Amino acid sequence: AQTVTQSQPEMSVQEAETVTLSCTYDTSENNYYLFWYKQPPSRQMILVIRQEAYKQQNATENRFSVNFQKAAKSFSLKISDSQLGDTAMYFCAFISDSNYQLIWGAGTKLIIKP
Amino acid sequence: SQTIHQWPATLVQPVGSPLSLECTVEGTSNPNLYWYRQAAGRGLQLLFYSVGIGQISSEVPQNLSASRPQDRQFILSSKKLLLSDSGFYLCAWQTQGNEKLFFGSGTQLSVL
Repeated sequence: AQTVTQSQPEMSVQEAETVTLSCTYDTSENNYYLFWYKQPPSRQMILVIRQEAYKQQNATENRFSVNFQKAAKSFSLKISDSQLGDTAMYFCAFISDSNYQLIWGAGTKLIIKP
Repeated sequence: SQTIHQWPATLVQPVGSPLSLECTVEGTSNPNLYWYRQAAGRGLQLLFYSVGIGQISSEVPQNLSASRPQDRQFILSSKKLLLSDSGFYLCAWQTQGNEKLFFGSGTQLSVL
């Protein structure tokens, strides 16, 4: 069975610091996609970044980047120069080519302190 | 561009009353549609998904049902709400064959 694990229920950092959120997954598939979604207090679910498993290069979106380690089945999210608006729940998610249904992690609550 | 509308934003209902939450998507055809539920501070639980009109798959046996009367309309219903049906409900859509999922703004349901 495919699973996604986020081992950090909550994290907090000072504004402008860099923070890394962890995610590991388990699958026997070879072609899949990984996502990080952000859910701010408004509860709107927002796609932050996406990684294709067949690409070795780590995805980057402005201050957000990932460290994708396919052999280790690890997919961490790095937020650089963190801002107060980054305060949110962050969910890691997995989807395979054979079944377009997202498998979700339990989430990490990130608090950015002023 | 594609947009997704979900309403109402909040709903307070007594136990035993019926429920109807509606979700519509604009700007795309034949999307995959999803209903998720999220308990406070928790992850998402897939309730139903649909790959076409009248085609509904249920992931979790429960007091809820879903229908897709039109291509871009997805409805979540209940005949009699239970206290345990309280939660945050999210509708989502996905282009068939594409992995990205886009979410509505959600409905906070409180059953009292």
